[in-house]
Amino acid sequence: AQSVTQLGSHVSVSEGALVLLRCNYSSSVPPYLFWYVQYPNQGLQLLLKYTSAATLVKGINGFEAEFKKSETSFHLTKPSAHMSDAAEYFCAVSETSYDKVIFGPGTSLSVIP
Amino acid sequence: DAGVIQSPRHEVTEMGQEVTLRCKPISGHDYLFWYRQTMMRGLELLIYFNNNVPIDDSGMPEDRFSAKMPNASFSTLKIQPSEPRDSAVYFCASRKRGGTDTQYFGPGTRLTVL
Repeated sequence: AQSVTQLGSHVSVSEGALVLLRCNYSSSVPPYLFWYVQYPNQGLQLLLKYTSAATLVKGINGFEAEFKKSETSFHLTKPSAHMSDAAEYFCAVSETSYDKVIFGPGTSLSVIP
Repeated sequence: DAGVIQSPRHEVTEMGQEVTLRCKPISGHDYLFWYRQTMMRGLELLIYFNNNVPIDDSGMPEDRFSAKMPNASFSTLKIQPSEPRDSAVYFCASRKRGGTDTQYFGPGTRLTVL
């Protein structure tokens, strides 16, 4: 069965500092992995996705994530945090044979000026 | 494209009342999902449809919840009777194809049951 864990329900970084949000998944077959972002009072929107092409995936707003099969991880990074990055971030996993996307519990990112 | 449209954006009702949430998916999308988001339980998938047919309703919490998709451009989520613990933000999302495709979320309906 698929599952997603996100280490740290809340992460705080200083403006300009590195952003690292952790995601580990469990899947019985090669997974498809996603990061979604939710700004206050809005729905989720896709940041980036991994679908078995390049292991380093670049997304919008300067975010990227690297798929590491040996570590079953798909951590999200951004070299320099901006105040506008403050939001809730969700990691999600899907398998080709399933229609459902399983979302993690989310990590709330705060950016300190 | 207008994106996924949900109505109402906010709903306040009293316990025992019927609540109907509405969703218009993106045109041409084959899949429609209903989610519930709370602080305690996070984002939960309630039910999803493929080509207007309910595929998996295992996330629907109780018989008080029901969902329909009478055509490709409209879906409803109904709660009858509503209870205070149903207070949450309900999201509708649509997707064109299978599991690797992007899900597009609506803005959500914030439901408060007094």
